[in-house]
Amino acid sequence: QLQLQESGPGLVKPSETLSLTCSFSSGSISSPFYWGWIRQPPGKGLEWIGSVYSSGSTYYNPSLKSRISISVDTSKNQFFLKVNSVTAADTAVYYCARHRGRGWYPLDYWGQGTLVTVSS
Amino acid sequence: DIQMTQSPSSLSASIGDRVTITCQASQDISNYLSWYQLKPGKAPKLLIYDASTLETGVPSRFSGSGSGTDFTFTISSLQPEDIATYYCQQFNNLPLTFGGGTKVQIK
Repeated sequence: QLQLQESGPGLVKPSETLSLTCSFSSGSISSPFYWGWIRQPPGKGLEWIGSVYSSGSTYYNPSLKSRISISVDTSKNQFFLKVNSVTAADTAVYYCARHRGRGWYPLDYWGQGTLVTVSS
Repeated sequence: DIQMTQSPSSLSASIGDRVTITCQASQDISNYLSWYQLKPGKAPKLLIYDASTLETGVPSRFSGSGSGTDFTFTISSLQPEDIATYYCQQFNNLPLTFGGGTKVQIK
């Protein structure tokens, strides 16, 4: 059973960069799957942030595109999220997840999520 | 962007009740729709994909139907462990978008 785990600082100051890592327990990030980031602000719904393929190809939500970067490190079996110039509106539980295949497939495995608070 | 309108936003039902949630897409998404279950502190769980296909290991009391713009998610007999928030999601077009969620509680 694939298990994903998000890690990173739980508190980020306004205007700084939020950085998260997603690691997983089995398999290879080079397998033919897309890997994604999703977030949920407190009391609100889910928002797709973006996704990446092992080749490094990325797909971003246009609402966030100017501030985000998603990348992979195949040697470490990890993928990453960076959000620049954060504000309080970026406070959310951040999830990493796997798309079922290489393309726009359902998200079949998710991490438990990590809460990131933006505050001074 | 494709807007996903989910209703109701919350509901209360008794154990054993039939529960129905609807999701409407702002444009035709064929059957490219999934349903997820979220519980606090747990990894979200994929329940239904391709609008009506039950994910492996998911109890058969969960079902989905619909195509085009109108979709339905049903729990045939509500169980205590089904207390959660449920979300629909379209994967027909980028950006991927979710419905607003339905919080299911016990009456």
